[in-house]
Amino acid sequence: GEDVEQSLFLSVREGDSSVINCTYTDSSSTYLYWYKQEPGAGLQLLTYIFSNMDMKQDQRLTVLLNKKDKHLSLRIADTQTGDSAIYFCAERKSSNTGKLIFGQGTTLQVKP
Amino acid sequence: DGGITQSPKYLFRKEGQNVTLSCEQNLNHDAMYWYRQDPGQGLRLIYYSQIVNDFQKGDIAEGYSVSREKKESFPLTVTSAQKNPTAFYLCASSPGLDQPQHFGDGTRLSIL
Repeated sequence: GEDVEQSLFLSVREGDSSVINCTYTDSSSTYLYWYKQEPGAGLQLLTYIFSNMDMKQDQRLTVLLNKKDKHLSLRIADTQTGDSAIYFCAERKSSNTGKLIFGQGTTLQVKP
Repeated sequence: DGGITQSPKYLFRKEGQNVTLSCEQNLNHDAMYWYRQDPGQGLRLIYYSQIVNDFQKGDIAEGYSVSREKKESFPLTVTSAQKNPTAFYLCASSPGLDQPQHFGDGTRLSIL
């Protein structure tokens, strides 16, 4: 199948780390993406990782990829109230369509 | 500033009416995309265009039509054949099909 699965909700305290998890189905996927969506807005590209990498770090964001288990995670260090949003993971298939398969999104709630 | 502009932000359609959603980008990207987002779900691909004068159906193209007469513009028409058009519509673009996609701020379409 083409399912990308995410847990629906995560609540953390300000200053803590957040870890948002995602599982995907296609082992031939080339790139995996994390997008952030604030209420009523479009999607903001946060980071992405190529399928031959295990980890990518970009300031407060760390992406971990476990290809064997088809598991992707996004860690946000020192989570702030401005990080409250919906986070989508997406996989790009190896075919030449540019098609992204999105998860249903994880709502991150940051409590002060 | 370079970016993707979608208009209008809110759109209302009467039964049996066609409506057109605008998407313009000044990023000089070759590829453009239309997605549909329903509450609590991820995005689903409607149509995409790799280059001017070319476009392909995505997963849910029925009831929609597009054109790509100019590189910077990719309008989406929601026809009366689309029986459940109420949704949030997102346009995206990328330099090529194998590059990360960047999104506009979306148009919310509702039925009167």
